Amino acid sequence: GEDVEQSLFLSVREGDSSVINCTYTDSSSTYLYWYKQEPGAGLQLLTYIFSNMDMKQDQRLTVLLNKKDKHLSLRIADTQTGDSAIYFCAERGTGGFKTIFGAGTRLFVKA
Amino acid sequence: NAGVTQTPKFRVLKTGQSMTLLCAQDMNHEYMYWYRQDPGMGLRLIHYSVGEGTTAKGEVPDGYNVSRLKKQNFLLGLESAAPSQTSVYFCASSTTTGTRYEQYFGPGTRLTVT
Repeated sequence: GEDVEQSLFLSVREGDSSVINCTYTDSSSTYLYWYKQEPGAGLQLLTYIFSNMDMKQDQRLTVLLNKKDKHLSLRIADTQTGDSAIYFCAERGTGGFKTIFGAGTRLFVKA
Repeated sequence: NAGVTQTPKFRVLKTGQSMTLLCAQDMNHEYMYWYRQDPGMGLRLIHYSVGEGTTAKGEVPDGYNVSRLKKQNFLLGLESAAPSQTSVYFCASSTTTGTRYEQYFGPGTRLTVT
């Protein structure tokens, strides 16, 4: 079945770049997403990439998609303490509207 | 716009008790979802709805029931709570317009079953 995997923790120093990685299994995924969850809150869409794109840049965020390896990454440039959160990788699966979420990567930013 | 709201925010139940979680959205979205979030397991889909009056089972539906009597509301019921249902529950909604299917999430309900 469809599955999304990502590492559970990442720790970086303030000002460094963060790279969060994700792998997925559904080769027919149309959209791939990164959601952000701040403490005590629900998930919020951070960015997304369509499956026919290799890269998408949005201010400090860069999303890279390698369809051949089914690998997605999120790079946050100049990471700030306010970026500390859980980041979820997700794919829109073959069911159309259903989204499959990974377990989330908890990003710690050290001052 | 309030977006997606959930009631209550916290609840403690004893084993065997019942309760209903309420989700409301004011974005006129067709699709609504209930997820549970457990440590290290991400979000798992419990039930979902593609429109008023319709519901369908997700990945982990056992022990839960849902109803969508009004388009803006999606209720999640636990008839006989079990400790395994201790979790954080999130409701989400998404639109059918466009193809991005971005989901909008509520703030969550933290449920503890003792």
